[in-house]
Amino acid sequence: SYELTQPPSVSVSPGQTASITCSGDKLGDKYACWYQQKPGQSPVLVIYQDSKRPSGIPERFSGSNSGNTATLTISGTQAMDEADYYCQAWDRPHVVFGGGTKLTVL
Amino acid sequence: EVQLVETGGGLIQPGGSLRLSCAASGFTVSSNYMSWVRQAPGKGLEWVSVIYSGGSTYYADSVKGRFTISRDNSKNTLYLQMNSLRAEDTAVYYCARGVGGSGSYSLDYWGQGTLVTVSS
Repeated sequence: SYELTQPPSVSVSPGQTASITCSGDKLGDKYACWYQQKPGQSPVLVIYQDSKRPSGIPERFSGSNSGNTATLTISGTQAMDEADYYCQAWDRPHVVFGGGTKLTVL
Repeated sequence: EVQLVETGGGLIQPGGSLRLSCAASGFTVSSNYMSWVRQAPGKGLEWVSVIYSGGSTYYADSVKGRFTISRDNSKNTLYLQMNSLRAEDTAVYYCARGVGGSGSYSLDYWGQGTLVTVSS
């Protein structure tokens, strides 16, 4: 079965750029998306089709996907961005999630 | 406005059965790819099942043969029938609307989740 691997944690200082990676075999041949989940809340889609932002998602969130790695980038990270982030891909017909990355803003 | 409201969770003994419901509003369930996703306490997201607009259904290996996804078009509601429940099925269960095209599949709306606890 297809697997996606994320680092368990990433730390960033306020105002700096945070990058969260997601690795999978030939992931660049698929579309990747990203979800943000804050404690006690449901996940929120922040990036779909590798690099598109849903309505209402701040421009500081961006994404890319090439080779075996998809990357979520948060520019000018704010304290409110502290959350768990999950990548997801479609290994047709199944849906696959990465293990999640806890982003700490300190 | 798109809304998804899950109900049906609770405490159930190992080996028991439970049916979760997800009432949708603001869109038509049968026209979308609908998924169930679960999250065990303190753990990450785990995809459970999908029903495509054409009616095809698929399951994660961990629940195949025990869980059944279905929908009632007249009620615009998604269901997850869970049988032979195990302690490791304990989780918050979310229903989510899938959107796709050109080979992509993302979950753009999620319910608030319903907690299923399997314990004696």
